[in-house]
Amino acid sequence: AQKITQTQPGMFVQEKEAVTLDCTYDTSDPSYGLFWYKQPSSGEMIFLIYQGSYDQQNATEGRYSLNFQKARKSANLVISASQLGDSAMYFCAMSLPLYNQGGKLIFGQGTELSVKP
Amino acid sequence: NAGVTQTPKFRVLKTGQSMTLLCAQDMNHEYMYWYRQDPGMGLRLIHYSVGEGTTAKGEVPDGYNVSRLKKQNFLLGLESAAPSQTSVYFCATKGPLQETQYFGPGTRLLVL
Repeated sequence: AQKITQTQPGMFVQEKEAVTLDCTYDTSDPSYGLFWYKQPSSGEMIFLIYQGSYDQQNATEGRYSLNFQKARKSANLVISASQLGDSAMYFCAMSLPLYNQGGKLIFGQGTELSVKP
Repeated sequence: NAGVTQTPKFRVLKTGQSMTLLCAQDMNHEYMYWYRQDPGMGLRLIHYSVGEGTTAKGEVPDGYNVSRLKKQNFLLGLESAAPSQTSVYFCATKGPLQETQYFGPGTRLLVL
C-alpha cells in the first residue's frame, strides 16, 4: 500500500541555518510524484516543490531543495538560510497515477518547524 | 486571478443539519478534489472529479455527496451532519498535464 512517513513531529532551527525535514515513501508504482507543502498557522496549503519519479536531478525552488534518493525511497526537504517566516507545518505528499482515484495525493502526518531568532 | 476559492470560510452546524461547501477555480483545470484534514493528520481524499459532469469516491466518502455541473465549480454536500465531520475541508485543482495540485484556503467546519 502507498504510504508517506514523516518521523519528525517537531523540529527547531536557528535563523539563517539550514534544516532538513525527513520523508520516506512506499509505493509499487513506477510513476509517481513527490511534493512538499507548507501550512502556516493561517491554515492554507502552500505548494513548495515537486519531484517526479523519473527526474534525474534533485528539484530546487529558491531556498528549497528536495533530496531525492530513489533507492532509499526518501524525499527529504532542505531549507537553506531559514527565516522566521518558515515557521509552519510541513507536509510531504505523494501523487498516485491518474487511474488511481484521479491521481490523489497521499500525505504524511507533517513536521512542525520552529525557527528561532 | 483568484486561483481556488472556497465558501464559506467557517461554519458551525448542529447535528443533523445540512450544508454545501463551494469550491470555485479560475485556472481552467479539469481535475478537482475535496480533502479533509483532521487534527494531527495529513489530508485525506473525500471525492474527486476528472471533468465537468463526472464525480467519483475517494477514500473517505461516507456522509458526503458532490456535484460538478460546471467545470469551474465543485460542490461538497453534507446531507445530515455528524460531529465526526468536524474538520477542515480543502478543495484542490490540477490541470491534465500537470502534477501539482493547488489548494483553496480551506473551510473550517464545526458540528455540534
